[in-house]
Amino acid sequence: AQKITQTQPGMFVQEKEAVTLDCTYDTSDPSYGLFWYKQPSSGEMIFLIYQGSYDQQNATEGRYSLNFQKARKSANLVISASQLGDSAMYFCAMRVPNFGNEKLTFGTGTRLTIIP
Amino acid sequence: DVKVTQSSRYLVKRTGEKVFLECVQDMDHENMFWYRQDPGLGLRLIYFSYDVKMKEKGDIPEGYSVSREKKERFSLILESASTNQTSMYLCATTRVGNEKLFFGSGTQLSVL
Repeated sequence: AQKITQTQPGMFVQEKEAVTLDCTYDTSDPSYGLFWYKQPSSGEMIFLIYQGSYDQQNATEGRYSLNFQKARKSANLVISASQLGDSAMYFCAMRVPNFGNEKLTFGTGTRLTIIP
Repeated sequence: DVKVTQSSRYLVKRTGEKVFLECVQDMDHENMFWYRQDPGLGLRLIYFSYDVKMKEKGDIPEGYSVSREKKERFSLILESASTNQTSMYLCATTRVGNEKLFFGSGTQLSVL
């Protein structure tokens, strides 16, 4: 079975500092995808970044990067130069291929609060 | 952009009522999912469907059923609502092999 672990229920970070949100995963499947989603107080789920298990380089999307350490089974999200609008819940998720019946398994989330 | 529409943003029901949560997507995606979100528990998969009339149990299917008669519509059914089903329900969709899920805006269900 697949499992995603986010050990930080909440974090407070000063504006403009970099933030690292932790995520570890467990799967025996060699092929998988890792995702990060942001959920602001409005409730919508916003896709941030994706990393495939065979990707050689760490994924980046603007201020977001994914620190992928395959041997350690970790996929931490790094937000550079944090902004007040980054305050939200952040979820790490994993998808394992299953003959087209793919499903995402989510972690419990980290609530990030950016302090002015 | 993909649009995933959930019929209600807020819903209040009584214990024992039959509840229907509807989700409609406009991008011809094969896969559709129902999650529930609870504080401290993250998102947990209830059911998913990878084709019309096909369904698979997720991690917490007890007390729920689903229906997918048309590709664009995926319904979650609470046969007899209970207070422990008070939660935020999120519908999502994706094309097979696509990288990301597209979510609806969620339905906050309160069962009294």
